[in-house]
Amino acid sequence: QVQLQESGPGLVKPSETLSLTCTVSGGSISGYYWTWIRQPPGKGLEWVAYIYYSGSTNYNPSFKSRVTISVDTSKNQVSLILTSVTAADTAVYYCARAGATVNRERYYLDYWGQGILVTVSS
Amino acid sequence: IQLTQSPSSLSASVGDRVTITCRASQGISNYLAWYQQKPGKAPKLLIFDVSILQSGVPSRFSGSGSGTDFTLTISSLQPEDFATYHCQQLNSSPQTFGQGTKVEIK
Repeated sequence: QVQLQESGPGLVKPSETLSLTCTVSGGSISGYYWTWIRQPPGKGLEWVAYIYYSGSTNYNPSFKSRVTISVDTSKNQVSLILTSVTAADTAVYYCARAGATVNRERYYLDYWGQGILVTVSS
Repeated sequence: IQLTQSPSSLSASVGDRVTITCRASQGISNYLAWYQQKPGKAPKLLIFDVSILQSGVPSRFSGSGSGTDFTLTISSLQPEDFATYHCQQLNSSPQTFGQGTKVEIK
């Protein structure tokens, strides 16, 4: 059974950099897309970025150039860096695998981590 | 692409038939999914490509629609179905989600 576990600081100061890691167990990173989704308290879901195991990436333009996603296949980990954080970046951050597909045209989020609450506050 | 779910919340009883709608601001082909989220938990994939049931999901869940209007139907609401439901489009980047529909116990 594939399991995802997010890790990182629960509190980040405004203007600083948020770094999160997603560790995948019970399966390989290879062959899949990996995604970060976030959810501000009491609000809806927002896609942040995704990466293919080979390293190709796609980012939500709303984050402009603040976000970087990377993959380490040797460690079975996916990482997210978000710079210049503000209170608006306070959210639960989820790591998810995009593995559900019918004909390999689109891949939906079939495995999720439990999420990590990141609070931006001084 | 903006996704608008309706209603934002609803109250229903066990055994009721429940329908949730997701309307897209432009056509999204059939690249639509539905997720269920319980408080304090991660979302769970229910349906993708409009109507394909994810493995392990009960058959009382079904999806339909095309173009810009889509529906999630729960044929007979069970106690474990009280949750928030989100739609998601993958037709074009950035992928987006609806604001969620909370299904509460009447």
